[in-house]
Amino acid sequence: GQQLNQSPQSMFIQEGEDVSMNCTSSSIFNTWLWYKQDPGEGPVLLIALYKAGELTSNGRLTAQFGITRKDSFLNISASIPSDVGIYFCAGQLGTNAGKSTFGDGTTLTVKP
Amino acid sequence: GAGVSQSPRYKVAKRGQDVALRCDPISGHVSLFWYQQALGQGPEFLTYFQNEAQLDKSGLPSDRFFAERPEGSVSTLKIQRTQQEDSAVYLCASSLVAGSNEKLFFGSGTQLSVL
Repeated sequence: GQQLNQSPQSMFIQEGEDVSMNCTSSSIFNTWLWYKQDPGEGPVLLIALYKAGELTSNGRLTAQFGITRKDSFLNISASIPSDVGIYFCAGQLGTNAGKSTFGDGTTLTVKP
Repeated sequence: GAGVSQSPRYKVAKRGQDVALRCDPISGHVSLFWYQQALGQGPEFLTYFQNEAQLDKSGLPSDRFFAERPEGSVSTLKIQRTQQEDSAVYLCASSLVAGSNEKLFFGSGTQLSVL
C-alpha cells in the first residue's frame, strides 16, 4: 500500500527558531494534510492542501504541496513552547475526506 | 457535546476477551471514521460510515474487528477474542458531509491494552 516517509523523526529546538519538516511518498496524492497531536488527544488539522504547487499559510505555519504530488513540507516560524507535540502529514488519494494515509510523525520539542 | 466523544478512555482486556469501544460523533455529522494508532506511529484507517451505511471496511485487520452505526449517529467498534497486537489507541473521527474538502474532527481516543 501507500507509505509516507516523514522526516525528521524528532527535533529539539530553541524557542524562537524556525522549524521545517517534510513528507515524501512513493505514490501521488490529490490532497495533503498536516495535523498536530498533543499527548492523550486526537490529531487536529492545521493545514489542508488541494493543488500541486499550492502554498498555504495558517499564522506562523506554512505548508506546500509538492509539484510532483509526492511530497509536502511544513514550516513553523518563530517557534513557541506551545508548538510542542507530534506533527503528522497525511495524504488522500480519493475524494473521501476522511480516508487518509498518515506518516509516522515528527516529534517537536521546544526549549524555552 | 461540542466535540467527538469516545468511551471508555482506557480499556484493559485479558487476551481472548471481547471489547466494545464507543464513539459519539459531533451532532449532525454524516461521516464517521475509525482509525487505529499503534505506539509511535501515525493513525491507520480502519473503516468509514456515511450515516448508517458502512461504505469502506478495507482497513479492518481481521474478521475479529466489527463496527456498526445502526442509527447513523453513535458508532461501536467491537473486537472479538482480543490479541496483544490489538493494543493501540483507537481514534474516532467525524465530518459534516462526505466531500473531499471536509474537515475531520478527531476524538481523544480509547487506549486499549491487551494483557
